[in-house]
Amino acid sequence: GAVVSQHPSRVICKSGTSVKIECRSLDFQATTMFWYRQFPKQSLMLMATSNEGSKATYEQGVEKDKFLINHASLTLSTLTVTSAHPEDSSFYICSARDRHYEAFFGQGTRLTVV
Amino acid sequence: RKEVEQDPGPFNVPEGATVAFNCTYSNSASQSFFWYRQDCRKEPKLLMSVYSSGNEDGRFTAQLNRASQYISLLIRDSKLSDSATYLCAGGQGAFNQFYFGTGTSLTVIP
Repeated sequence: GAVVSQHPSRVICKSGTSVKIECRSLDFQATTMFWYRQFPKQSLMLMATSNEGSKATYEQGVEKDKFLINHASLTLSTLTVTSAHPEDSSFYICSARDRHYEAFFGQGTRLTVV
Repeated sequence: RKEVEQDPGPFNVPEGATVAFNCTYSNSASQSFFWYRQDCRKEPKLLMSVYSSGNEDGRFTAQLNRASQYISLLIRDSKLSDSATYLCAGGQGAFNQFYFGTGTSLTVIP
C-alpha cells in the first residue's frame, strides 16, 4: 500500500512553545490530507482537512489559530501546535487518501507538553 | 449524533471463534467505507475496503447495508494475533471528510 511518513514520532516540549509535525506522502500525490488526534483509550478525532494550495477546513471545536496547518505541496502537510499546553499532549496522526479513496496513516506523533 | 458509531466492546472470544462487528453511519451520502486495525500505541492500518457487493479476504468478510446504513466485519477462525482495536470509517469521497468510529476492542483468548 501507499506510504505516509510522519515526523517526529515523539516530541517533548515546554509549555508555551510551538511544535511542528510533518506528514509526507512518499509514493503518491495527496491533494487532501487529514489530521487526527487520539487521546488514550479514545478513538481518532478528526481535527482538520488539509487541502493543497488552500486553507484547511477545521472541525467544530478545533482552534485554527492554535493548530496551524500548511499544505504547500502535493506530498507535504504540516501541523503546528502553537503555544502548547499540557492538555495538548496527545497522539497526533495524519493520513492521506490515494486515488482509490483509501486512507493511509503516518506513524503518528506522540506529543508531551511539560 | 456522531457520523459513525460502533460498539466499543470489549469482545473477548476464544481462539477459533467467529466474531462480528457492526458499525452504523448517519450520513446517507457516505460512499466510501473501510475497516482499520489499530494495535496499542500504533497507527491504524487498513484492513479492508467495504464494497456494496461485499468483500472477502481470507478469514475476513466485510459487508455494506445501505438500506440500514451499517457496515459489518466478520472474522472467522479467530487467531491470537487478531487481538486489536478495529475501527470503521466512512466518508463521502476522496476529498471530503473521513470519520472514524470509536473502535471495537477484540481480545482472542487461548
